[in-house]
Amino acid sequence: ETGVTQSPTHLIKTRGQQVTLRCSSQSGHNTVSWYQQALGQGPQFIFQYYREEENGRGNFPPRFSGLQFPNYSSELNVNALELDDSALYLCASSSRVTVNTEAFFGQGTRLTVV
Amino acid sequence: AQKVTQAQTEISVVEKEDVTLDCVYETRDTTYYLFWYKQPPSGELVFLIRRNSFDEQNEISGRYSWNFQKSTSSFNFTITASQVVDSAVYFCALSEGDFNKFYFGSGTKLNVKP
Repeated sequence: ETGVTQSPTHLIKTRGQQVTLRCSSQSGHNTVSWYQQALGQGPQFIFQYYREEENGRGNFPPRFSGLQFPNYSSELNVNALELDDSALYLCASSSRVTVNTEAFFGQGTRLTVV
Repeated sequence: AQKVTQAQTEISVVEKEDVTLDCVYETRDTTYYLFWYKQPPSGELVFLIRRNSFDEQNEISGRYSWNFQKSTSSFNFTITASQVVDSAVYFCALSEGDFNKFYFGSGTKLNVKP
């Protein structure tokens, strides 16, 4: 196990609703990144948080937003859910001590939008 | 343009066969990092290896080996004497200047049959 915990593991929402996904990073890790993985595809970078600030964003609309807390845990919020938001959402934690160390991923949250 | 291409969508082998998973990447940066991750059905991405652009030395770890060739922009992964437990989806990923912002390939699903 990586020590990265995501909740919930599964979620079903209706189109137009809002959802919050949570991630507890590995102890000592101060950087959290979020990825969206559609079925049969590779993960796509959503954004990254470092010291509670957004530090880079992928090609996702503003209705995807996030937070990082002082304990380095993080939330991903998605507003006005669309059917295409159905995916596995992965959180990755890493330590910004050396450049590009490996990132440790959680088990993901499977979001289904109906 | 795809930064990471994994042309093999799915590979099936019989246990004990050797198998090579291909990865071709594209970047203009001189400093970059390449990764391989394994994704079992549980969904969590498991780190396998990290290689920086200045280190072209091939690496072997048990039954796993990696062949990094900058001249062909390839970072191929070979499993020797495959086992059923190797069955998973394998992702190749590229990270450029942004810390741990990964570009993932579309993945190769490996089926190892007994």
